[in-house]
Amino acid sequence: DAKTTQPPSMDCAEGRAANLPCNHSTISGNEYVYWYRQIHSQGPQYIIHGLKNNETNEMASLIITEDRKSSTLILPHATLRDTAVYYCIVSYSNTGNQFYFGTGTSLTVIP
Amino acid sequence: NAGVTQTPKFRVLKTGQSMTLLCAQDMNHEYMYWYRQDPGMGLRLIHYSVGEGTTAKGEVPDGYNVSRLKKQNFLLGLESAAPSQTSVYFCASSYLTGAQETQYFGPGTRLLVL
Repeated sequence: DAKTTQPPSMDCAEGRAANLPCNHSTISGNEYVYWYRQIHSQGPQYIIHGLKNNETNEMASLIITEDRKSSTLILPHATLRDTAVYYCIVSYSNTGNQFYFGTGTSLTVIP
Repeated sequence: NAGVTQTPKFRVLKTGQSMTLLCAQDMNHEYMYWYRQDPGMGLRLIHYSVGEGTTAKGEVPDGYNVSRLKKQNFLLGLESAAPSQTSVYFCASSYLTGAQETQYFGPGTRLLVL
């Protein structure tokens, strides 16, 4: 079952911030929000995850709304190498996980 | 660290042939997964393992078998390949920190069944 909804595609100008939205209105209280990306048929790459609070790492920032029904992944200064499919996943694990990847958002960074 | 490696990278099979895909990880992870990805689709979970000697079915297990005899290896078998199994297969391994999990993926195996 699809737990998340993402736009199928987005464009972003190089050097600008890329804001990728995700809707997860049925998220449970103990489920985390994860973001992965897949660059041109390579294996998916972990980006960031969070539960309630906003998170930031060297790759991106994750903004989760107060009601936790949606989130936004922010790539602060998009480069051409950020062109990829971005997957938003919600999941909880205590004995190993089953991630549902969906079809994600295809982000194209334009020179 | 090599991370997660997959063997082979590419394979062509005829319908009815069998083969085994090997996934190896050197990160001492407990959990390992096999996914398949069809063109224009997201990844779908085939089977997974939460530890050595354990396996469990995922979303699309039919036509596949798996084994986890050693912690570092997770094998995916196709006993009688069908054209519908043409796909890219990704292996992943992970560890848990509390209820948080990060999966690390291999580069994929491209399988064509004629």
